Amino acid sequence: AQSVTQLGSHVSVSEGALVLLRCNYSSSVPPYLFWYVQYPNQGLQLLLKYTTGATLVKGINGFEAEFKKSETSFHLTKPSAHMSDAAEYFCAVREGGGADGLTFGKGTHLIIQP
Amino acid sequence: EAGVAQSPRYKIIEKRQSVAFWCNPISGHATLYWYQQILGQGPKLLIQFQNNGVVDDSQLPKDRFSAERLKGVDSTLKIQPAKLEDSAVYLCASSGQENYGYTFGSGTRLTVV
Repeated sequence: AQSVTQLGSHVSVSEGALVLLRCNYSSSVPPYLFWYVQYPNQGLQLLLKYTTGATLVKGINGFEAEFKKSETSFHLTKPSAHMSDAAEYFCAVREGGGADGLTFGKGTHLIIQP
Repeated sequence: EAGVAQSPRYKIIEKRQSVAFWCNPISGHATLYWYQQILGQGPKLLIQFQNNGVVDDSQLPKDRFSAERLKGVDSTLKIQPAKLEDSAVYLCASSGQENYGYTFGSGTRLTVV
């Protein structure tokens, strides 16, 4: 079974500082990987995804992530944090075969300090 | 394009009562998913439909949860009878053929008291 581990349930950074949210996965097959953001009382919005090809993936709102197979990681970064980035972030991996629902990590709450 | 629609937005019921949630996916999306998100956790897949057939329901508590997707479009998720631990946000998502794009609805927040 596939699994996702997000290190740090809460991450706090200053406005303008680098954002780094960590995600490690386990998968027996080449994974498809996703990062979602969730604002209070809202659904999940896709930030970016890795399926095949280039391992550095750029997403919306200035976020990017790099797939590192050797480290089984897919960490999310943003060079300069903005107050509007404060939200819950979820890393997810796609199941293989016909059943392709997502397996999510527990989430990381990003806090932006003014 | 219109997003994934879910209703109701909020629901409060007493334990042992029944409740139903409705989802209308993006037009043309063949695959529909229901997820349960307990407070402080990531979403957990409950059931996946491909058109009107079930692909994966391995994590659905079948003694109390049921779901259907008649005509391969709208779907309903039912809980009967509800337990306190069913308090959660129930998210519906759909995906089409392209690029593994999953679109989520805003969810239904269920509180069981």
